[in-house]
Amino acid sequence: SQKIEQNSEALNIQEGKTATLTCNYTNYSPAYLQWYRQDPGRGPVFLLLIRENEKEKRKERLKVTFDTTLKQSLFHITASQPADSATYLCALKGGGNKLTFGTGTQLKVEL
Amino acid sequence: GAVVSQHPSRVICKSGTSVKIECRSLDFQATTMFWYRQFPKQSLMLMATSNEGSKATYEQGVEKDKFLINHASLTLSTLTVASAHPEDSSFYICSASRLAGNNEQFFGPGTRLTVL
Repeated sequence: SQKIEQNSEALNIQEGKTATLTCNYTNYSPAYLQWYRQDPGRGPVFLLLIRENEKEKRKERLKVTFDTTLKQSLFHITASQPADSATYLCALKGGGNKLTFGTGTQLKVEL
Repeated sequence: GAVVSQHPSRVICKSGTSVKIECRSLDFQATTMFWYRQFPKQSLMLMATSNEGSKATYEQGVEKDKFLINHASLTLSTLTVASAHPEDSSFYICSASRLAGNNEQFFGPGTRLTVL
């Protein structure tokens, strides 16, 4: 069966460090993968999209890698700030425009 | 640009009543709108996909007679939870994608439904 796995344990890091979050998937051949940020009680906010033929994508302090052989995407936030604290979701495109989301990883950036 | 609103943001109702949630794309035309449900500490689960002017496509296990979706225009979709029960209490989130673009979905802020 298809699965998207993200680390369910919260990731706690110090301000200024790089946060790295992992998204692993099985039984998918996604055309692209997306990362979203979700704050408590709010809808997800789109961050980055990376296509199957792209290895890496950057946007300001964010970097996403996509390894279709390992079936894994890594999401990095450099120079992390307390304002980066949130839950980060990865999502894969399925049939049509449907997105399937992982359970998300909660990131806490401490002073 | 690409703002999606939901109304209401929070609703508390008695068991057996019906609740309507609106989803609007404010500054673009949404060819497709999606409705998700999210329980605490869980991921977003797609309930249905709706295209303007046609019937919604429901995911397996989602009762179409209970979760009524109307996509009357390119900027408005509504989800009606018919005869809501406490187990329907959840966070309902809509998203919209536009005709031009890379299939990115723009999410609304969500509606917290509590059924007593």
